Amino acid sequence: GAVVSQHPSRVICKSGTSVKIECRSLDFQATTMFWYRQFPKQSLMLMATSNEGSKATYEQGVEKDKFLINHASLTLSTLTVTSAHPEDSSFYICSAHFRGTQYFGPGTRLTVL
Amino acid sequence: QQQVKQSPQSLIVQKGGISIINCAYENTAFDYFPWYQQFPGKGPALLIAIRPDVSEKKEGRFTISFNKSAKQFSLHIMDSQPGDSATYFCAAAMNYGGSQGNLIFGKGTKLSVKP
Repeated sequence: GAVVSQHPSRVICKSGTSVKIECRSLDFQATTMFWYRQFPKQSLMLMATSNEGSKATYEQGVEKDKFLINHASLTLSTLTVTSAHPEDSSFYICSAHFRGTQYFGPGTRLTVL
Repeated sequence: QQQVKQSPQSLIVQKGGISIINCAYENTAFDYFPWYQQFPGKGPALLIAIRPDVSEKKEGRFTISFNKSAKQFSLHIMDSQPGDSATYFCAAAMNYGGSQGNLIFGKGTKLSVKP
């Protein structure tokens, strides 16, 4: 139980385009989901906390107009990277809070050319 | 005060040996301490977690030791196997039963278990 999926697992896009990443809780409902970014050989950096039906809470230094988060249902949160640039290339991971534990998705590798 | 300091950065252990990874924290409001295992290109997976009302928790070959007075906790992997080779992250959170539960992660330890 408590499985979190992400789609796509890998995406390559051209600079200036937008990319949407989906995060789903498959067998539970999650009022709170989190989005992280991880650079190679580094730890996870929390980008934002996504609450169902309300605006996301962004961490300091994260541009909310660039990283759009929508949590429209109890099982789905989306992260849209707008006008992507090569420096946005990274591993994006979502997680969902369920019964006192945070469960992570498998991650999405974004490469911006 | 929000930091979680993890050491060592990397660790090489022989098969069958004990792997020990340490973490230290400053904020006494933290009340939840999980360890995550991450393989390359995958998301972190919860290994084991502890709350400050106990000093030790064991699940199979994995044990968390918690020292509240020293504000330290550690992961012990007994009988380490090559399949345990991964990056391990400690983390801490406060008010974890609430709606937020933001995790503060350590920088990670890359474990290599040699056959």
